[in-house]
Amino acid sequence: GQNIDQPTEMTATEGAIVQINCTYQTSGFNGLFWYQQHAGEAPTFLSYNVLDGLEEKGRFSSFLSRSKGYSYLLLKELQMKDSASYLCAVVDSNYQLIWGAGTKLIIKP
Amino acid sequence: SQTIHQWPATLVQPVGSPLSLECTVEGTSNPNLYWYRQAAGRGLQLLFYSVGIGQISSEVPQNLSASRPQDRQFILSSKKLLLSDSGFYLCAWSAPVETRWVFFGSGTQLSVL
Repeated sequence: GQNIDQPTEMTATEGAIVQINCTYQTSGFNGLFWYQQHAGEAPTFLSYNVLDGLEEKGRFSSFLSRSKGYSYLLLKELQMKDSASYLCAVVDSNYQLIWGAGTKLIIKP
Repeated sequence: SQTIHQWPATLVQPVGSPLSLECTVEGTSNPNLYWYRQAAGRGLQLLFYSVGIGQISSEVPQNLSASRPQDRQFILSSKKLLLSDSGFYLCAWSAPVETRWVFFGSGTQLSVL
């Protein structure tokens, strides 16, 4: 079967750094997405990794290791508005998205 | 540019009542269309997807059905809602040859009481 694991919930402090991990076991791999989702809203795109390594975009970075079936999203200089759920999604061999359950990130002042 | 419209934003329905959620896409032709459901605190569950008019694939057996009467219109329906149908419903589209890139509507929060 196909499986994506993320921590259910994480807490961090405003101004700090947090790393959200995602491990996956899927039938094929054609890329990995990270989305941010605020409560009651649609997910919004954050990053896409298809090759190993680190992709940096402002305060957000995403890392991928295909051999380990592992990715992380790194958020720096945390702001209160970063309080949201972060969804990891893998593109399988049929180019369909397989979604993780999401990690709820709570930012404390 | 492409836009996706989904309505209503919020819906409260009694158990046993019917359901109709509508989604339309503008600015593109022959999109792939999707209905997702998200239970509270959970990830996205793909319910239906469609690659063309009248072509519907169901991912999960359930109390819901979907229809695509026009190229850019996707409808989610139920004849009799169950309590377990409560959740956040998202319509989405992708280009026919780039199914990795999915674009979401604003979602419908459905509460079945």
